[in-house]
Order: sequence, then structure tokens, then C-alpha cells
Amino acid sequence: DAKTTQPNSMESNEEEPVHLPCNHSTISGTDYIHWYRQLPSQGPEYVIHGLTSNVNNRMASLAIAEDRKSSTLILHRATLRDAAVYYCIPYNNNDMRFGAGTRLTVKP
Amino acid sequence: NAGVTQTPKFQVLKTGQSMTLQCAQDMNHEYMSWYRQDPGMGLRLIHYSVGAGITDQGEVPNGYNVSRSTTEDFPLRLLSAAPSQTSVYFCASSYGRGPYEQYFGPGTRLTVT
Repeated sequence: DAKTTQPNSMESNEEEPVHLPCNHSTISGTDYIHWYRQLPSQGPEYVIHGLTSNVNNRMASLAIAEDRKSSTLILHRATLRDAAVYYCIPYNNNDMRFGAGTRLTVKP
Repeated sequence: NAGVTQTPKFQVLKTGQSMTLQCAQDMNHEYMSWYRQDPGMGLRLIHYSVGAGITDQGEVPNGYNVSRSTTEDFPLRLLSAAPSQTSVYFCASSYGRGPYEQYFGPGTRLTVT
């Protein structure tokens, strides 16, 4: 399983963009990079995933480094509702392993 | 669709008691799994199932049993509860085992005294 390194915590101001980094230098060639988030007292929810190319959806964008050893989740305009723990998880046909994630605080 | 549902929401057990945590999904997903989350930590995989009649162990299976008699249901059984099993338990389902979006239930908060 690929090991990941994420900052323990980050802060952002409301309405500003947020870039959440993740290092996964031991990722295998077939692992997709998934991002989930967990709001307080809730189960995790899917945010986005990608393999090699950058990906966009209604929630966020995912920028993947050319060597795939790191990725960045981009929230274009943070809202108070985006305050959560964000998990970066490389996996494919194995079991999803959650690390400690990054706790994002959004200030009004 | 209700998605993934879990019951109960809260439970208190005494050491040595047994109980079953219920999980159901109405999305016709083949893959279902159970996780536990201890305070301040990420989720850890307990057991998973790739379809009815097929289950396998995850990262922390000791003290837990599962079965999968239908596609919809995936109960988790604690045979003899221990204080170390105090945790929040999440059930999840997805189309298959692989790079598919996983849908998580709201969780069951279990305390063992």
C-alpha cells in the first residue's frame, strides 16, 4: 500500500481558494488517487479521484504531478461547510486505507 | 434512495456482551465493508465483502464476525465486547472492489464499559 503524507491541519478564509497537498511517493502505477472528506460527526464522503490527468468536478479540482508522487486537492472558493478532515488515498483493487488526513478550518 | 443506513446510532454494552450492528444499502452494490474509527484517527478496515456469500478480513478483524446472505445487508457481529472495541463504526458500499466511489453510512457510536 502506498504511504501518504498530508499536513495535519490547514486554515483558510471563507471565499478564498484552498490547496490541500498530499505526497504519495510509493504509489503504484495502477493506483488511482482518491480524496474523501469527513465532516464533523459524519461518515466520509467522496470528493474526487484521478489517475494521471487533472480532474474537475462540481466539488473540487485534483491536480496530479507528472511523476504521480504528489497531488493537490483544490477547493476553488472555500465555504464554512468545507470545514472537514480531508483524506488522500491512493488505491486500486486493494483495500482503502485512511491516514490521519488534513483538518481544514475555514474562517469567516 | 436511502443510500447506506446503519442501526443503531448509539449503543452502550458491558464487557462480554454480544451485539450486531446492522448495515443496509439500496444501491445494488456488490462491495460492502466495515470500518472503525478511534478518536483522532483515520478509519481502519475490519471486514469486507465482494458479493453475497463472500467475505474477507481487513486490517483489524479480531473480535468481529460478518456474513453476507443478501446483496443489501452486511451485519457486523461483536461476539464478546471488550473496552478496546469502543469506537465509531462505519459501513460503506460501492459498485465493486476497486477505484469506485464508496458511499458511507452515518456511523454507529459504540461504548463498551
